Amino acid sequence: GAVVSQHPSWVICKSGTSVKIECRSLDFQATTMFWYRQFPKQSLMLMATSNEGSKATYEQGVEKDKFLINHASLTLSTLTVTSAHPEDSSFYICSATWTSGIYEQYFGPGTRLTVT
Amino acid sequence: QKEVEQDPGPLSVPEGAIVSLNCTYSNSAFQYFMWYRQYSRKGPELLMYTYSSGNKEDGRFTAQVDKSSKYISLFIRDSQPSDSATYLCAMRANTGGFKTIFGAGTRLFVKA
Repeated sequence: GAVVSQHPSWVICKSGTSVKIECRSLDFQATTMFWYRQFPKQSLMLMATSNEGSKATYEQGVEKDKFLINHASLTLSTLTVTSAHPEDSSFYICSATWTSGIYEQYFGPGTRLTVT
Repeated sequence: QKEVEQDPGPLSVPEGAIVSLNCTYSNSAFQYFMWYRQYSRKGPELLMYTYSSGNKEDGRFTAQVDKSSKYISLFIRDSQPSDSATYLCAMRANTGGFKTIFGAGTRLFVKA
């Protein structure tokens, strides 16, 4: 089946620094990738949708200058958390799909970000 | 009112029990309905999906959609301790790209 990887799985950074999280589709070409944020015992909150080669579409309330998303190829999307603060600590999950994949979003294993 | 409502639980059942998980929704435009299973500190895994109304069965899992009531269910037969996880319902419309709305998730514990 379709496999999505994320790297790193866990990262700790100091307040004010930037962190980059990678999301890769390993065995399919992902025309669309999604980035979610998940707080403990809460559901997935969609942050943005990115299509290969175009700018990401951010959900209302998500700061595009703080959460930079790049979808440079059909197998790679990156999320950069700029000038991270403790309140950015969360579980970040990406998912990927393709044009004909009407139902399926395949999720990565997630990245736990802790900002100290 | 949230677009998708799901009881967060936790739901605790003995091994072998039949489990019923449910979601209600308010947007009549939703056409695709999915159930995901998420283990602790892992990404969600797609379990089942249905289009429009009806039932779908896959092994021990049965998904039901009642669009007239805006109500979907996931039944797990002969539940196993390995089924212990958080189950998320998800749905989306036929338009608006792939934007999917997720329920809050129900935490399920199956006791051996």
